[in-house]
Amino acid sequence: SQQGEEDPQALSIQEGENATMNCSYKTSINNLQWYRQNSGRGLVHLILIRSNEREKHSGRLRVTLDTSKKSSSLLITASRAADTASYFCATDATPKLVFGAGTILRVKS
Amino acid sequence: DAGITQSPRHKVTETGTPVTLRCHQTENHRYMYWYRQDPGHGLRLIHYSYGVKDTDKGEVSDGYSVSRSKTEDFLLTLESATSSQTSVYFCAISDGGLMNTEAFFGQGTRLTVV
Repeated sequence: SQQGEEDPQALSIQEGENATMNCSYKTSINNLQWYRQNSGRGLVHLILIRSNEREKHSGRLRVTLDTSKKSSSLLITASRAADTASYFCATDATPKLVFGAGTILRVKS
Repeated sequence: DAGITQSPRHKVTETGTPVTLRCHQTENHRYMYWYRQDPGHGLRLIHYSYGVKDTDKGEVSDGYSVSRSKTEDFLLTLESATSSQTSVYFCAISDGGLMNTEAFFGQGTRLTVV
């Protein structure tokens, strides 16, 4: 089974609202990464949080990591229509890099 | 953009035929990965490589084989294509978790098995 599992599977919000996506995993990791995929395209890296970090920010993105619960969350603040995409967490247990099923985010303008 | 190229980008093949997809990188990254993406399943790891001639199975490796004879090339072979292998295939490269670096993805190969 997949290492990372995202929740919810789909999320629909209004422009300007915040979007929160969660990821759970099963084994020890070196780091956890979040990626974005626009329809029909390859994945693009958003942010990486190391296993010894608890929170990280990048622009409108905030990621938390709780290694005791084996979970992470991605918060996108002040969402925009252009944030509409699929978001994936990836757990890095080198050499393996395993992705979850993803969250489909739709931001309505 | 990271130097990673997948070929072909699109392919239609018949059931029972062998198919080889190629991933080529110019970044000299150690790790290379093959994933397949299907609706509702996200990206599932097929095989990965941690060096020349060093490969291992992922979670959905049945019916697939890989080879890495050079750092820059990672080949995925469908030994005898089946309709269940119709999918979008992505290659990724990385310097690895110990370096705490991101993975870079190719643009994908859309494979249809008829």
